[in-house]
Amino acid sequence: EAAVTQSPRSKVAVTGGKVTLSCHQTNNHDYMYWYRQDTGHGLRLIHYSYVADSTEKGDIPDGYKASRPSQENFSLILELASLSQTAVYFCASRSTPEVFFGKGTRLTVV
Amino acid sequence: GQQVQQSPASLVLQEGENAELQCNFSSTATQLQWFYQSPGGSLVSLLSNPSGTKHTGRLTSTTVTKERRSSLHISSSQTTDSGTYLCAIDFNNNNAPRFGAGTKLSVKP
Repeated sequence: EAAVTQSPRSKVAVTGGKVTLSCHQTNNHDYMYWYRQDTGHGLRLIHYSYVADSTEKGDIPDGYKASRPSQENFSLILELASLSQTAVYFCASRSTPEVFFGKGTRLTVV
Repeated sequence: GQQVQQSPASLVLQEGENAELQCNFSSTATQLQWFYQSPGGSLVSLLSNPSGTKHTGRLTSTTVTKERRSSLHISSSQTTDSGTYLCAIDFNNNNAPRFGAGTKLSVKP
């Protein structure tokens, strides 16, 4: 079974601070994704990547950067965290058609 | 735009009843997956069904590609089926799944 590991699992950040969420997959999948989920809502695509050293914008990229330094690792960076970025963030990798998710990171910006 | 709409938003059943969940999408779907999200938040893939009918256990999915809709039928519901069911679509082979808002299912004993 594909393994996708996110860290940290929860974080409290201050407004205006920098936050980095990390994701690691062990199955050599090409595609990796970052989604956010707000309470009571579905997942919205922030950034994704299909190869190392390249990232693509999803539907809500504003305020987020992504980095894919290797096949296994995919990070989401909030340069200036804002209250509106409080959410649960999910990383996923894919072996088409299946998508495998990490357990999520609960980010609270105060 | 590329939209995924799920209905109903919530559903309450007595154990043993059947559930029918709907997913409608705005343009051509090259991949379609149904996911289960547990009350604790974990997401697992249930099945992939971009066209036709697929069965796995008590789950049956039927996708009518031309009509841009898919359904997920859960037979003989159990309390452990409670959670949120999400539909995810790849539009036009872009390999970037878009999700609906989900159907929250509650099964009472």
